[in-house]
Amino acid sequence: EIVLTQSPGTLSLSPGERATLSCRASQSVSSGYLAWYQQKPGQAPRLLIYGASSRATGIPDRFSGSGSGTDFTLTISRLEPEDFAVYYCQQYGSSPLTFGGGTKVEIK
Amino acid sequence: QVQLVESGGGLVKPGGSLRLSCAASGFTFSDYYMTWIRQAPRKGLEWVSYISSTATTIYHADSVKGRFTISRDNAKNSLYLQMNSLRAEDTAVYYCASGQNIFQHWGQGTLVTVSS
Repeated sequence: EIVLTQSPGTLSLSPGERATLSCRASQSVSSGYLAWYQQKPGQAPRLLIYGASSRATGIPDRFSGSGSGTDFTLTISRLEPEDFAVYYCQQYGSSPLTFGGGTKVEIK
Repeated sequence: QVQLVESGGGLVKPGGSLRLSCAASGFTFSDYYMTWIRQAPRKGLEWVSYISSTATTIYHADSVKGRFTISRDNAKNSLYLQMNSLRAEDTAVYYCASGQNIFQHWGQGTLVTVSS
């Protein structure tokens, strides 16, 4: 099973700042099959990025994904108030599909 | 628009059973794989089970294999999760989601609490 380790655990930033979230896999994620989700309290996760770098429908272009192999990054270019949330990465290149432990982006 | 509505959660004693349901609307349910994902309180996400569009392919996570069974009724646009021999560690919000690998649409979740 591929273990995904997200860092940092918590990121304290101000609106307008850039957020860089990391997701590291215990083994290579085949074909870049990595997704990112955003989750707010009391809500279901929302798909942001799939295929490491493709934005899902309706996702603003301030969200971008990059990476390959074992190292992936989600970047939020300029934080909006609604972006403060928990972010999860998920690999679907091998079974079982697995999620990272999450990074909380909080207001500084 | 796509809507997924889970039901059937609640409080159950260890060793007990529950059946979760997920009612789907707004898309052609019979064309899609469906998946159950859970989230323990204040924890991350864990894939539980998925089922192919015609129910010919089914997978369960090792943590639930032999205790949980996923099924579907395409005539009723519904997905199910039969959960037996429940343990405290099964306590979580259970989400249904459309798809097999990436999940664009999720339900609001139903809380299962396993406690004596």
